[in-house]
Amino acid sequence: DAKTTQPTSMDCAEGRAANLPCNHSTISGNEYVYWYRQIHSQGPQYIIHGLKNNETNEMASLIITEDRKSSTLILPHATLRDTAVYYCIVRVLMPLKTSYDKVIFGPGTSLSVIP
Amino acid sequence: EAGVAQSPRYKIIEKRQSVAFWCNPISGHATLYWYQQILGQGPKLLIQFQNNGVVDDSQLPKDRFSAERLKGVDSTLKIQPAKLEDSAVYLCASSLNGRGAEAFFGQGTRLTVV
Repeated sequence: DAKTTQPTSMDCAEGRAANLPCNHSTISGNEYVYWYRQIHSQGPQYIIHGLKNNETNEMASLIITEDRKSSTLILPHATLRDTAVYYCIVRVLMPLKTSYDKVIFGPGTSLSVIP
Repeated sequence: EAGVAQSPRYKIIEKRQSVAFWCNPISGHATLYWYQQILGQGPKLLIQFQNNGVVDDSQLPKDRFSAERLKGVDSTLKIQPAKLEDSAVYLCASSLNGRGAEAFFGQGTRLTVV
């Protein structure tokens, strides 16, 4: 099961910052927070990930609270092309017999960027 | 760098027929995932391979679904026989390894069972 909760949908005005929240209150100390997005009729696309420090790349910024129970993805200047479903994912560690983790998606947040 | 390739893009079959999907991951990627995405939902992990071995297939309906990854490269996912509820997009993804590496997704195969 997904270990995150996100709002079902959000709107954002074009050119403004889009702030997408995610709750992951049961996250473990060695689990990362990942964000993906899925534009209509395409496969999910990786955006950013982090452990406990804030992260920034060319696409977005990720702010993780000090207690790591929640995070916010920030798209600094949203464009119409940012309209998509955004998924917040906690990488769940597999049982000891393996050393691989799963990428488990929840329902995500449908972001609509409005002209 | 070439991305994850999937074929076909679209498939329409009648219920009880068989269907197969093909995935070619990014070269050098050890981990391969198959997901099922029903309209309006997030992708659901069906099976995960590490090289040519299965590391998780707990969500795969094994009475009708099967998957293989021969030689640790290409993979096929098969449904036999198909049911109406199998109508979905089937996504393949790959990553360099299964430990935190970014997963790259293909465009998916849209299956319609009528």
